[in-house]
Amino acid sequence: DAGVIQSPRHEVTEMGQEVTLRCKPISGHNSLFWYRQTMMRGLELLIYFNNNVPIDDSGMPEDRFSAKMPNASFSTLKIQPSEPRDSAVYFCASSLWGRGQSDTQYFGPGTRLTVL
Amino acid sequence: AQSVAQPEDQVNVAEGNPLTVKCTYSVSGNPYLFWYVQYPNRGLQFLLKYITGDNLVKGSYGFEAEFNKSQTSFHLKKPSALVSDSALYFCAVRDVTGANNLFFGTGTRLTVIP
Repeated sequence: DAGVIQSPRHEVTEMGQEVTLRCKPISGHNSLFWYRQTMMRGLELLIYFNNNVPIDDSGMPEDRFSAKMPNASFSTLKIQPSEPRDSAVYFCASSLWGRGQSDTQYFGPGTRLTVL
Repeated sequence: AQSVAQPEDQVNVAEGNPLTVKCTYSVSGNPYLFWYVQYPNRGLQFLLKYITGDNLVKGSYGFEAEFNKSQTSFHLKKPSALVSDSALYFCAVRDVTGANNLFFGTGTRLTVIP
């Protein structure tokens, strides 16, 4: 199995530009999570989906952030417009959710975003 | 509310010595507990988990963790540390209210000194 795939691995953009991060979960997994990691704030859960439906987006910092999961094998996290304080490593993780499952999450390699 | 605490930001241990990375949890009901490791410039990797059963859980790379209900702890241990074990370690607990998200600790940076 290829594991969770994220693209791009690195993104450098200028303030005000739109940024789109992409994630392909492990095949067969039905839960997908977006996290942000910074030195100051540590690891933060932004949003997660079960069966492609957003369950909890309370961690999304503001309206500039949006996430979609149009099908079971793809999700995007979009920032529009981007700001320097959005600079962080963004991780996607997936798990198998359901009765009897332990919900072990498997993480992708992350996207390092730098907003100048 | 569910939470985990990692009381030590940094742990240093000499190569070959036993290591312990501490984690305590707060949850109503029976917890699902996890340990993850993060190497530089990598995503978090699953190490081990406790769901039920034997209090001593064995995981990847020779790590193990002991679930202690009376002390609400789930410390990560390894009998003999390697320099390659140097990394950031996260403890996590699964939401027991029905949601399936994990609550992560703040992480402990382990440095194994040659």
